[in-house]
Amino acid sequence: SQQGEEDPQALSIQEGENATMNCSYKTSINNLQWYRQNSGRGLVHLILIRSNEREKHSGRLRVTLDTSKKSSSLLITASRAADTASYFCATDAGASYQKVTFGTGTKLQVIP
Amino acid sequence: NAGVTQTPKFQVLKTGQSMTLQCAQDMNHNSMYWYRQDPGMGLRLIYYSASEGTTDKGEVPNGYNVSRLNKREFSLRLESAAPSQTSVYFCASNFQGPLHFGNGTRLTVT
Repeated sequence: SQQGEEDPQALSIQEGENATMNCSYKTSINNLQWYRQNSGRGLVHLILIRSNEREKHSGRLRVTLDTSKKSSSLLITASRAADTASYFCATDAGASYQKVTFGTGTKLQVIP
Repeated sequence: NAGVTQTPKFQVLKTGQSMTLQCAQDMNHNSMYWYRQDPGMGLRLIYYSASEGTTDKGEVPNGYNVSRLNKREFSLRLESAAPSQTSVYFCASNFQGPLHFGNGTRLTVT
């Protein structure tokens, strides 16, 4: 099974609303990252949060990390139609934290 | 600066044929990765190489082999392709931070 599990699997909101998606993982990590993928395209890196950080912001994105619960959340504020995409979390693991695996993803639809 | 370059972009194989997917990065990254993505799914790690000269299995290594030819290049080989290997394959590289992805190879096995 995959290291990361995201929920919800799909999310549909109106433009201007906030979108929250969650990621849970199984083993201790060094970093957690969030990526966006538009349909049929490659992945775009959004934000990286280290295991000793609890919260990080980048523009309209806010990421939190709770290592005690092995979970993270991505909040997109004031969503736009252009935010429609799939969002994935990725965690590193293994002896030297080089094994980077992805979660199952959340498919976000922002309705204009 | 090309980043991560994958070839080919598209490939159609018959069951039992073999092929090698090529990946090269010019960012002097230590780590390189091969993922596959099936329709509507997330990325699953096939193999990774934490540094030149080392390779390790990921989540779904069966049916694949890899070679870390040098620091720049990391190839993925399908020795005997099966329809279950129909997927989009992504190569990526990093140095303790964000992954940089290639544009992907769309592989169909008939």
